[in-house]
Amino acid sequence: DAGITQSPRHKVTETGTPVTLRCHQTENHRYMYWYRQDPGHGLRLIHYSYGVKDTDKGEVSDGYSVSRSKTEDFLLTLESATSSQTSVYFCAISEFKETQYFGPGTRLLVL
Amino acid sequence: AQSVTQLGSHVSVSEGALVLLRCNYSSSVPPYLFWYVQYPNQGLQLLLKYTSAATLVKGINGFEAEFKKSETSFHLTKPSAHMSDAAEYFCAVSANTGNQFYFGTGTSLTVIP
Repeated sequence: DAGITQSPRHKVTETGTPVTLRCHQTENHRYMYWYRQDPGHGLRLIHYSYGVKDTDKGEVSDGYSVSRSKTEDFLLTLESATSSQTSVYFCAISEFKETQYFGPGTRLLVL
Repeated sequence: AQSVTQLGSHVSVSEGALVLLRCNYSSSVPPYLFWYVQYPNQGLQLLLKYTSAATLVKGINGFEAEFKKSETSFHLTKPSAHMSDAAEYFCAVSANTGNQFYFGTGTSLTVIP
C-alpha cells in the first residue's frame, strides 16, 4: 500500500470553527488531491497540488483552502466550518497521469 | 470536460453469478480509465486501469474490464461473484489535459448467499 496517512481520522466540530485536515505521504509523489465523498455524489475534487506551493481549485472548492509547503504534506482548511461540509474527506497522491492512491479518509461532522 | 456515468447505483447478484458493472465516459480522445473498489470504512483501492494498451484489462480479485471506444464504455465484469466482492465500485477517467480524475457516482454491489 502507498504510504499515505490522514489526520485526524475522525473529528466533530461546531459550525463556525476552523478545521485543518492533514495528508502526509512517504512516496515522494508530485501530485496530491483532496476529495470529499457524499452519498449520491461519488468523489468530488476540492483542491489539488502539482508541486510545493502549487495548487489549484477543483469542482467544489468554495469554503476550502489548501497549502503545501513540503512535498510530503498537503493541508486542507475549512476556514469556518458549516454543516454542509459534513463529509468523508480523502487525500490521494499520484504521479502525472498515473494511478491515484488514496488515504484511509477523515470523517468530519459539523454540528 | 470529462465525465463518467455509472448505470445503476445498486446492483445485487447471487453468489457465483456474473458481475457486470457499467461505466460510460465522455471524451473526445481515448482517456485513461480506472476502476476502484471501496470496502466499508476504507479508502479506495485500484482494481484495474486502461492506458491504451490491450483493450481487455485484467485486474485483481478476478475482475476485468473491456475498453470499447465505439461505445465509450469500460464495463467491469467478474465471472463468479464471491461474498467478499460486496463493496462500492467507482469508475474514473483521467483528464486529457492536466492531471485531474473524474469519478462516477459509484455502484454498490450486494452479493446474495
